Amino acid sequence: AQKVTQAQTEISVVEKEDVTLDCVYETRDTTYYLFWYKQPPSGELVFLIRRNSFDEQNEISGRYSWNFQKSTSSFNFTITASQVVDSAVYFCALRSYNTDKLIFGTGTRLQVFP
Amino acid sequence: GAVVSQHPSWVICKSGTSVKIECRSLDFQATTMFWYRQFPKQSLMLMATSNEGSKATYEQGVEKDKFLINHASLTLSTLTVTSAHPEDSSFYICSAHMGGPMNTEAFFGQGTRLTVV
Repeated sequence: AQKVTQAQTEISVVEKEDVTLDCVYETRDTTYYLFWYKQPPSGELVFLIRRNSFDEQNEISGRYSWNFQKSTSSFNFTITASQVVDSAVYFCALRSYNTDKLIFGTGTRLQVFP
Repeated sequence: GAVVSQHPSWVICKSGTSVKIECRSLDFQATTMFWYRQFPKQSLMLMATSNEGSKATYEQGVEKDKFLINHASLTLSTLTVTSAHPEDSSFYICSAHMGGPMNTEAFFGQGTRLTVV
């Protein structure tokens, strides 16, 4: 069975702090994709990143970085120098190669205070 | 990226009436669309997979007679909540895929907030 676990329900930080959102997944597939989405209060889902299971390179995009470790089945997301606009719910998701279905984690609500 | 438009963004309806939500892929053809439901402060739960030209595939526990899905073209899928009840109040969001193993991204609509009074 496939499963995505985001153990952190809510995180609160003060602006300019770094914050890491954890994501642990379970799958028996050898080929799969991992995603992070941001859901601001308005509700829409904003795509942040996709990572293929065969590509363990970490990625940095501006203040965002992702750490993919197959050995621990984790795909963690770090925001450096957080800003108030980063306040949102962040979802980690998993998709197998042979299906279009996305399995979402329960989300982590991030609040960044000024 | 590709654009998926969902309409309406919010709707209030009376108990017992039906509500139709549209999901359109604006600049690509979507062979598959997905409908999710999200309760406040909870995750997205997949309701059904909508395939163009064929019947939708519903997840376990989702009433297919209550949540009617039609995917009549490659750019439009509709979700109709029939005989709505207050417990159907939720945030409904669709996603669309271009299809094929290399097209691994899902593009999401803006969501529809349904309130049944």
